[in-house]
Amino acid sequence: AQSVSQHNHHVILSEAASLELGCNYSYGGTVNLFWYVQYPGQHLQLLLKYFSGDPLVKGIKGFEAEFIKSKFSFNLRKPSVQWSDTAEYFCAVNAGDSRYKLIFGSGTRLLVRP
Amino acid sequence: GAVVSQHPSWVICKSGTSVKIECRSLDFQATTMFWYRQFPKQSLMLMATSNEGSKATYEQGVEKDKFLINHASLTLSTLTVTSAHPEDSSFYICSAEEDPDEQFFGPGTRLTVL
Repeated sequence: AQSVSQHNHHVILSEAASLELGCNYSYGGTVNLFWYVQYPGQHLQLLLKYFSGDPLVKGIKGFEAEFIKSKFSFNLRKPSVQWSDTAEYFCAVNAGDSRYKLIFGSGTRLLVRP
Repeated sequence: GAVVSQHPSWVICKSGTSVKIECRSLDFQATTMFWYRQFPKQSLMLMATSNEGSKATYEQGVEKDKFLINHASLTLSTLTVTSAHPEDSSFYICSAEEDPDEQFFGPGTRLTVL
């Protein structure tokens, strides 16, 4: 069965620090990969997605993610975080015959201190 | 971006009663909507895929007679939790697909069963 692992459950950073959140998935075939963000009290929003092509994907608000097929990873990065980035971040994948079914990771809560 | 609404945002009900949650795509038509459940501090788990004009597809372990899904139009899907019990208390989130491979999420409905 497909699964998504996010190893960092809680991350605390100071403003201007760099961010990298890990995401690994288990599926040997073609995958579509997503990062979603959920700000406090708000709904899930798409940060970025990877379907094919350039493995380095740029999303909104300065976020980017790199798909490394050999490592089954899709880590999220931001060079300099802001207080407003405080949120929960979810990695998700859909794959194979589950074309439209999103499998979510457990999420990472990010707290950015001013 | 596309907007998805849910109603109500919070509902409290007595054990044994039924509760209906609505999911609407406000500015687009969605042939496919999805219902997720999110437990506290956990990730989203897909419950079912709702297709307009046809029966919903339920994920393994989800009781279709307990969680009734109706997708009567291209902008509305409903989830009815029948004979609710305290263990059904959770956060229910819907999403709708505007384009293939991109889901837009509603703000969620918090259900508390007393």
